[in-house]
Amino acid sequence: TQLLEQSPQFLSIQEGENLTVYCNSSSVFSSLQWYRQEPGEGPVLLVTVVTGGEVKKLKRLTFQFGDARKDSSLHITAAQPGDTGLYLCAAEDSNYQLIWGAGTKLIIKP
Amino acid sequence: SQTIHQWPATLVQPVGSPLSLECTVEGTSNPNLYWYRQAAGRGLQLLFYSVGIGQISSEVPQNLSASRPQDRQFILSSKKLLLSDSGFYLCAWGGTSAYEQYFGPGTRLTVT
Repeated sequence: TQLLEQSPQFLSIQEGENLTVYCNSSSVFSSLQWYRQEPGEGPVLLVTVVTGGEVKKLKRLTFQFGDARKDSSLHITAAQPGDTGLYLCAAEDSNYQLIWGAGTKLIIKP
Repeated sequence: SQTIHQWPATLVQPVGSPLSLECTVEGTSNPNLYWYRQAAGRGLQLLFYSVGIGQISSEVPQNLSASRPQDRQFILSSKKLLLSDSGFYLCAWGGTSAYEQYFGPGTRLTVT
């Protein structure tokens, strides 16, 4: 069974601080996605990474795919209250379906 | 551009009552369609997916069913709701590949 483990499960920090959250697996994936979900809404796709070692930036968010394509990280620089939400990673499994991590709940305090 | 609609946004139903949640997609043809359930603040559990009209694959055996009567319409149903059916139900569409799915606003279902 292919699993995605996200850590930490919960993170609460002050505005302006930096943070990194992780998405790990023992399986190799052809692609991995990060989504952000706000309470009462559907997840919104942030980025897709497909190449081992790939780094993508989205304003203050930096996404990295591990060299072996088994893990990924999301780093946020100078976090703002608008970054608050549930961050989910997902990856395409061997049956061409998305498997999902349980998410990191992020709270940025002003 | 593509948009996805779900309704209702919120639903409170008694145990044993039927359920029908509807999802429609605009701006794309022959999308893959998905129904997910999400426990509070947690990840997503895939319930059903469809690659075409009348083609439904079930991922989790339960008292829910899905139908796709039209290319861009996906319906989640139950004949008799259980308390454990409470949750946040999300519909999503995607292209020929499973990744990069796009979600509707969700339906909050509370079974009392």
